[in-house]
This record gives sequence, C-alpha cells and structure tokens, in this order.
Amino acid sequence: ETGVTQSPTHLIKTRGQQVTLRCSSQSGHNTVSWYQQALGQGPQFIFQYYREEENGRGNFPPRFSGLQFPNYSSELNVNALELDDSALYLCASSLIRSGANVLTFGAGSRLTVL
Amino acid sequence: GQNIDQPTEMTATEGAIVQINCTYQTSGFNGLFWYQQHAGEAPTFLSYNVLDGLEEKGRFSSFLSRSKGYSYLLLKELQMKDSASYLCAVHNDYKLSFGAGTTVTVRA
Repeated sequence: ETGVTQSPTHLIKTRGQQVTLRCSSQSGHNTVSWYQQALGQGPQFIFQYYREEENGRGNFPPRFSGLQFPNYSSELNVNALELDDSALYLCASSLIRSGANVLTFGAGSRLTVL
Repeated sequence: GQNIDQPTEMTATEGAIVQINCTYQTSGFNGLFWYQQHAGEAPTFLSYNVLDGLEEKGRFSSFLSRSKGYSYLLLKELQMKDSASYLCAVHNDYKLSFGAGTTVTVRA
C-alpha cells in the first residue's frame, strides 16, 4: 500500500507569483485535505475535497483553491503569493466512514516566498 | 473558535516516562487525535480517543476527559527515536484543529 506522496518537496517563489502543489492520495482513500504548517506551529486546515467537490474550508482567502481528480489525486493552487504564505503545505488523505477519520499525511511541500 | 493548548517543550531521559498534556476549548468535538512528527517528515497517527478513559497501544497511551476538555499522551520506556514533536488535534466534522505541538527531547 503506497502512502501519500507530494510534489515538489521544496520550491522558492517570489511575491505575487502563483504556485501549484500536487498530491497523490493513499490507495483506497476517497478524501483529501490540505493543511498549512508555519514554522513552530501546528497544521492549519485549508480545505477538504470529497468526490471532487470542496467539502469544507478553513479561514483562508479565495486565492487558495484546490482540485480533486477522479483518481483522488489533488492540487492546491495559491495565487498572488505573499511572504506569509511561506510554510510547509501538507496533504492528507482519508476514507470517510463512521468512526475515526484517521488522516494519512504526506511529507509536505515546503514553500518559500521571497 | 478553537483553542488547543499544549506545552512547547519537554525533555526526558532515555527509559523514563513523559506525559504531554493537552487542553482544548472548541466549538465542536468528534474525537481527539495524537500525531507524532519528526523534523522534516509527515505527521504520523499515534492514537484516537472519542470516549472518556485511557487507550493503550504499546509504549504509548492516551487519555481523554471530555467534561474537562483535557487529554494527555503518555510515552513510556522512552527511546532516542521518540525525540519528535507531538501534536494534539481535535476532530470536528470534516477537519482537525491542531495545537502548536510539544517538542520532546530524549537524552541519553
């Protein structure tokens, strides 16, 4: 069973640019969530996708957007990058069912905005 | 809103026991998770509590009191590889709300 894979692992952008981060979910999972983790902080929920539709969203502006594809892979897009967007972006997949909804995380994409 | 508090850092000796406390005030509650995160790596699932009481899984145990908004993670027989950040997270509907994490350093 493969885990969650993310790409790229590191990238550097400048203010105002756009970035796309990619994620392949764990086999058998139907839901993908994205989290932003600033240095020294816990992950903050950005949004979740289920059946290719946004299923919930955290306190992030509309310039953060996403997609989920039929094979359950996903993208996170961030437009008009700001310095504060520098963080580790974590993708997590899960299988929605009753009981514990355990998230399986990828190792993340570390974004630096200069 | 969500407020989840845990200590920033803890240090313990190899073979010892460490208890990481987590208190929470959240607008909803479907369960509480503990994750371990080594530097530069993905958070990995340790435990899940939805009912009050103690859940034991090998060297790790987790406790929950919903009425007090309180949980702890107990790490026994500490090993050097247990040096990591430990994240407390409240499950509410479709998302997890995380604390800032507790960095545990295990000394020889």
